[in-house]
Amino acid sequence: DAKTTQPPSMDCAEGRAANLPCNHSTISGNEYVYWYRQIHSQGPQYIIHGLKNNETNEMASLIITEDRKSSTLILPHATLRDTAVYYCIVRAGTGTASKLTFGTGTRLQVTL
Amino acid sequence: DGGITQSPKYLFRKEGQNVTLSCEQNLNHDAMYWYRQDPGQGLRLIYYSQIVNDFQKGDIAEGYSVSREKKESFPLTVTSAQKNPTAFYLCASSSRTSGTYNEQFFGPGTRLTVL
Repeated sequence: DAKTTQPPSMDCAEGRAANLPCNHSTISGNEYVYWYRQIHSQGPQYIIHGLKNNETNEMASLIITEDRKSSTLILPHATLRDTAVYYCIVRAGTGTASKLTFGTGTRLQVTL
Repeated sequence: DGGITQSPKYLFRKEGQNVTLSCEQNLNHDAMYWYRQDPGQGLRLIYYSQIVNDFQKGDIAEGYSVSREKKESFPLTVTSAQKNPTAFYLCASSSRTSGTYNEQFFGPGTRLTVL
């Protein structure tokens, strides 16, 4: 699976959009971009994933650049409950169950 | 409510004792996983299972054992052979669609402390 690079921390004011970047310049054609978040002392929570098209669900939007070398997770109206560590993971769509490789992620702090 | 349950949330054991962590899912997912997380670190895969009565070692299987007798259950035993068992243990599961394993969903975790 390709490596990802994320900033270690970011701040966002409550009610504003939080834009979390991820670089995955070595991604290959069959690899998906997944986003998870982990609130302190809880299990990781799946947010969204995509292959090459932009995706949106009730939690967030995922914007993937045309060359697929980077992506941005957007939380449109951040709240204090969105404070967490956000992980960007690249993983091939596969017929074999395999691990998710979590890096160190981005610690998002949402403030009043 | 559909989901993954892990019990107990906190577990304390004396050194040298085996301990079994429970993981149950009612999502009808095919695959189940066990990860370990140490403070400030990412998750590391211990074992995973794609179908009943079959499982594979992950990156750090030494000192652990699992079973998969039922689709919905995947208990993890931390044996006395595991040198540093104190950690946060996370169970996950994923469905399979058209031969591809989908996103993994995680349980709330069990924090094991060995005294």
